[in-house]
Amino acid sequence: SQKIEQNSEALNIQEGKTATLTCNYTNYSPAYLQWYRQDPGRGPVFLLLIRENEKEKRKERLKVTFDTTLKQSLFHITASQPADSATYLCARRRDSNYQLIWGAGTKLIIKP
Amino acid sequence: DADVTQTPRNRITKTGKRIMLECSQTKGHDRMYWYRQDPGLGLRLIYYSFDVKDINKGEISDGYSVSRQAQAKFSLSLESAIPNQTALYFCATSEPGKEETQYFGPGTRLLVL
Repeated sequence: SQKIEQNSEALNIQEGKTATLTCNYTNYSPAYLQWYRQDPGRGPVFLLLIRENEKEKRKERLKVTFDTTLKQSLFHITASQPADSATYLCARRRDSNYQLIWGAGTKLIIKP
Repeated sequence: DADVTQTPRNRITKTGKRIMLECSQTKGHDRMYWYRQDPGLGLRLIYYSFDVKDINKGEISDGYSVSRQAQAKFSLSLESAIPNQTALYFCATSEPGKEETQYFGPGTRLLVL
């Protein structure tokens, strides 16, 4: 079955450093992968989408990569700030339809 | 996202009770979704609707029903609530052809005793 796996352990990063989060998927490479941010008590907010034919996508301090050989996407936040602390979710499109399959998310903590 | 609202934000109910969660959106999107989120698990799709006359089951629809009253309104009902339906429920919307990007409401925290 198609799955999305994210590291369930919280990631602690010192302010100013680069935070890197991992998203691994199974089965065929999806047409795209998405990353969302979720703050406590709030709904997920879309950040970035990367398509299968794109190796890298950037948006301000955010960068996403898509490696179809490793079946993995990496999400980077450079020059991290305490305000970046949140849970980050990865999602892929299901092969058979347009439904999204979601990872459980990785909690990121940026320490001052 | 203020464009997608959910009511109530919190709800405590008892086993066997029927409850309804409501979702409204002002984004003008045709597509709407209901998810539940449990600790340690990814969001799971309960139902989705591509327009007022189109309702589809998601991966975990058992014990739930929905109603799409208008383009802007999509309600989720638990006909007879049970404790394992205790979860955080989210409504989301997307644009036709742009279903990749979903816009979420603030969520409803439901506790079934």
